[in-house]
Amino acid sequence: AQSVTQLGSHVSVSEGALVLLRCNYSSSVPPYLFWYVQYPNQGLQLLLKYTSAATLVKGINGFEAEFKKSETSFHLTKPSAHMSDAAEYFCAVSGRNQGGKLIFGQGTELSVKP
Amino acid sequence: KAGVTQTPRYLIKTRGQQVTLSCSPISGHRSVSWYQQTPGQGLQFLFEYFSETQRNKGNFPGRFSGRQFSNSRSEMNVSTLELGDSALYLCASSLVAGGATQETQYFGPGTRLLVL
Repeated sequence: AQSVTQLGSHVSVSEGALVLLRCNYSSSVPPYLFWYVQYPNQGLQLLLKYTSAATLVKGINGFEAEFKKSETSFHLTKPSAHMSDAAEYFCAVSGRNQGGKLIFGQGTELSVKP
Repeated sequence: KAGVTQTPRYLIKTRGQQVTLSCSPISGHRSVSWYQQTPGQGLQFLFEYFSETQRNKGNFPGRFSGRQFSNSRSEMNVSTLELGDSALYLCASSLVAGGATQETQYFGPGTRLLVL
């Protein structure tokens, strides 16, 4: 069975500081991995996805994530946080034969201090 | 191109009632998935439809059902509502359902259901 663990339900950084949101996955087959962002009272917006083309994936709004098979990790980073990055972030995994079924982590709420 | 739309956006029901939520996918998208989001359980997969057929189902009781129409629009129904069904219900659409290339799922804004 597949699963996702996001370390830290809440992360707080200062504006301009590095953002690091941690995600570890469990999958018996090579997975597809995703990061989504959710702003208050909105749906989910895709930040980036890993589909085995490249281990370092660049997404929107300056975010990127690196797939590390040996560590079963897919951490999300951004070099310099902006106030507008404050939101909840979800890591998700999908198997290659799972169709549209995404398994989500519990989410990490990111706060950005001025 | 218009995004995924969900109606209604907000809904209040009482225990024992039933409810139907609607989702219109992005034009040309044929796969629609539904998710339930609650503070306690997080985001959980309900089911997925592709070409009017249910392709995948999550671990929810039979009170939760869905269908997809020939124009790819989808509805989900919850019968005999319980207090625990209060949640944000999210719909997502993609061009195809899985396969060799994982298509991106685009989410709608959700329907917030409150059961009293």
